[in-house]
Amino acid sequence: DAGVTQSPTHLIKTRGQQVTLRCSPKSGHDTVSWYQQALGQGPQFIFQYYEEEERQRGNFPDRFSGHQFPNYSSELNVNALLLGDSALYLCASSFQSINYGYTFGSGTRLTVV
Amino acid sequence: AQTVTQSQPEMSVQEAETVTLSCTYDTSESNYYLFWYKQPPSRQMILVIRQEAYKQQNATENRFSVNFQKAAKSFSLKISDSQLGDTAMYFCAGDSWGKLQFGAGTQVVVTP
Repeated sequence: DAGVTQSPTHLIKTRGQQVTLRCSPKSGHDTVSWYQQALGQGPQFIFQYYEEEERQRGNFPDRFSGHQFPNYSSELNVNALLLGDSALYLCASSFQSINYGYTFGSGTRLTVV
Repeated sequence: AQTVTQSQPEMSVQEAETVTLSCTYDTSESNYYLFWYKQPPSRQMILVIRQEAYKQQNATENRFSVNFQKAAKSFSLKISDSQLGDTAMYFCAGDSWGKLQFGAGTQVVVTP
């Protein structure tokens, strides 16, 4: 049973560029959440997708956007990258946000230079 | 608004000993869920234990148990019979309406 799969695992981008990160949820899960984890800190909630719509959003600028596809996979897009966007981006999936705990992927390490 | 506070940056424990990690969770919600997650160097966040706020009984999962004091807003994690594989960053998190709020984490180091 595949868990949450994220790609790529590592990425280096230049300031001002755009990046797309991808997430495939655990089998049977239909809700995907994205988190940003800066070095040495706890993850911060970016947004959550359910039924292909953004259901909740954290305190992140509009440069951060996302999408959920009919197969429940999701993308996180970040435009106009800043050095401060360098972080580990984690994807978590669940079934209809039922609070049995979320399954996390291993993340994408984004470095902006 | 929710706040999650972990005040212990690092804890060291010897193999087979017990360690307790502290967490306080403040929320205006009446029903919520609390979690402890473990993040080893592999980076994947792994669920250790889950507690529903309306349940009186403290959750237990094998060597891991919590002490949830709702009035004191305290949610501590006890790791018994510590093993080398328990070495990781541990995060306390609260969930209300599907959004996890994490603390800053506690690095646990288990030594032989």
